[in-house]
Amino acid sequence: TQLLEQSPQFLSIQEGENLTVYCNSSSVFSSLQWYRQEPGEGPVLLVTVVTGGEVKKLKRLTFQFGDARKDSSLHITAAQPGDTGLYLCAGEYPDKLIFGTGTRLQVFP
Amino acid sequence: DVKVTQSSRYLVKRTGEKVFLECVQDMDHENMFWYRQDPGLGLRLIYFSYDVKMKEKGDIPEGYSVSREKKERFSLILESASTNQTSMYLCASSWVPGQPYEQYFGPGTRLTVT
Repeated sequence: TQLLEQSPQFLSIQEGENLTVYCNSSSVFSSLQWYRQEPGEGPVLLVTVVTGGEVKKLKRLTFQFGDARKDSSLHITAAQPGDTGLYLCAGEYPDKLIFGTGTRLQVFP
Repeated sequence: DVKVTQSSRYLVKRTGEKVFLECVQDMDHENMFWYRQDPGLGLRLIYFSYDVKMKEKGDIPEGYSVSREKKERFSLILESASTNQTSMYLCASSWVPGQPYEQYFGPGTRLTVT
């Protein structure tokens, strides 16, 4: 069974702080995606990384794919209450996505 | 924008009932997926389909079946609902034929089986 471990599981911070979420596996993925899910809604795709070492930025969010394509990180600069939600990484296998168990982020004003 | 809709946001059913969960996508995507999401277990793949009338078992297909008669519609069927099927059910679609790359999710159906 393929596993994608995310850390931390929970994160509670003040507005303006920086944070990093990690997504790790022993498997190599064709691509890795990050999603954000708000309560009572489905996940929404944020970004896809494909190449080992790739870095993508989405406003205050920076995503990096590990050189060996086994891990990824999400860094948020100056977090805002609107960043609150469940962050999920998902690694692409030949015919399915493997989802991590998620990091629940709460940003307080 | 891709739109994936699910027939119900909340559903309450009794043990033993047959339950139909409907999912429709409007972007002509080839691929569709059904997941369930439970606390501490993440998203688990139940069934997926890469073409009309085609279906493949995911990681937890027991107790479920699916139907894909039209490209835009993918139905999940609980033949005889049980309490351990109480969960959030999420439908998704993706655009690259035959690949799960970049999935777009519906809002989910929270099913309670009593």
